[in-house]
Amino acid sequence: KAGVTQTPRYLIKTRGQQVTLSCSPISGHRSVSWYQQTPGQGLQFLFEYFSETQRNKGNFPGRFSGRQFSNSRSEMNVSTLELGDSALYLCASRSDQARNTGELFFGEGSRLTVL
Amino acid sequence: GNSVTQMEGPVTLSEEAFLTINCTYTATGYPSLFWYVQYPGEGLQLLLKATKADDKGSNKGFEATYRKETTSFHLEKGSVQVSDSAVYFCALSAPGSARQLTFGSGTQLTVLP
Repeated sequence: KAGVTQTPRYLIKTRGQQVTLSCSPISGHRSVSWYQQTPGQGLQFLFEYFSETQRNKGNFPGRFSGRQFSNSRSEMNVSTLELGDSALYLCASRSDQARNTGELFFGEGSRLTVL
Repeated sequence: GNSVTQMEGPVTLSEEAFLTINCTYTATGYPSLFWYVQYPGEGLQLLLKATKADDKGSNKGFEATYRKETTSFHLEKGSVQVSDSAVYFCALSAPGSARQLTFGSGTQLTVLP
């Protein structure tokens, strides 16, 4: 069974640009969450999608957005990039059976560098 | 709000040493508790979990017991290996917000041969 797949793995952008990251969850998982990982702030929750609907959102500015498609694949977008957006962006999926326990399966992440 | 406090790292041990990484939490109700591990260049992997008080999670020789009275979930391993070198994260999901994990800051473990 394939795991969570994130693309691209690495990317470099400049301030003011925008970026789109993609995530394919484990087959059959309808819930996809996104986390930002930085050395200073650690792992912070961005948002969660389930069946194309955003169910929960973390404390991030509106420049951070996401969506989920009917095949459960998800994308997140960051507009007007700032230096502080440099981070590892992790996607995670969850099975319906684990919806109340918090157990997540993570991808390897997309490392974004903003210059 | 919910929070997780982890032992500050980095931690450096010799192979076959005993490992303890402390984790305490603050949450309303009875959260589920997790330890995730992140190997270099990889995403997070679930190491073990416990969903109610006094539960013991275990995997790959690692153990952690859910202690409600001390709000703790300390990670232990009796004999570490070089391959255990990684960053370890304690996390919780609280009732009513099970879709969101709250993570500790992570503890870098290095095991020397």
